[in-house]
Amino acid sequence: DQQVKQNSPSLSVQEGRISILNCDYTNSMFDYFLWYKKYPAEGPTFLISISSIKDKNEDGRFTVFLNKSAKHLSLHIVPSQPGDSAVYFCAARDTDKLIFGTGTRLQVFP
Amino acid sequence: EPEVTQTPSHQVTQMGQEVILRCVPISNHLYFYWYRQILGQKVEFLVSFYNNEISEKSEIFDDQFSVERPDGSNFTLKIRSTKLEDSAMYFCASSVMGGTHQPQHFGDGTRLSIL
Repeated sequence: DQQVKQNSPSLSVQEGRISILNCDYTNSMFDYFLWYKKYPAEGPTFLISISSIKDKNEDGRFTVFLNKSAKHLSLHIVPSQPGDSAVYFCAARDTDKLIFGTGTRLQVFP
Repeated sequence: EPEVTQTPSHQVTQMGQEVILRCVPISNHLYFYWYRQILGQKVEFLVSFYNNEISEKSEIFDDQFSVERPDGSNFTLKIRSTKLEDSAMYFCASSVMGGTHQPQHFGDGTRLSIL
C-alpha cells in the first residue's frame, strides 16, 4: 500500500544546477506535506513543508510545489551544492502520523 | 538549535530479551512519536503519544510494544520479547502540536540488532 511514492531512487546533478525531486500520493485527504533530508547515521532533518491550501512554498534555495489535481509535489533546490548530497524523503500527514516515501538519493557533483 | 536526542545509538540484544529505547524530545514539544526503518525499507509509523496516552498506533505496534513518559523529559519505547524482525533503526520524533501543520523533528535513531 504505497500511499506516498518517490519513483526515482536516485538523482545526480551538477553543482550550481537545479535539483528537482518528485513525489506522488494517492490519498486526496492528505492536507500537509513535508520534505526531509537524511544523511547516513542521522535521523531525518526537516527541510520544508506545504499545506494543501497552497501550491508553493519557498525557503531560501528550497521551493516545494504542490499540484493537488495531479496529487504530485516536487522539491526544487537552486542552486544545488555538494552539501545537499543526501537522501530526500517526502512525507504526507495522515491524522497525526507521517507517511513516508521510499526516498531519492541526490548526489551533487562539482 | 534544540534537538531530539536518542540513546543508545546502537543496541544489540538476544532474541526474546526485553529492550528499552530512550528519547528526550524537544523541551516545549507536546506530541511524541516512534517510527522505525527496516534496512532498505520505508520509514514506518509506530505510535504517537500525547498527554500521557497513546493517540494513535499502527498495526506493527502490537502487545509486545509499549511506550512511556516516565518523567518530564524522557520518552521510552519498550519491546517486551524481541524477535529477529524487530531489527531496524528506531526514530523518535516530537512536535509542538499534533494534528496541525507543524513538522515533526526527528532524533538520530537507535540501531537495534537482534541476534
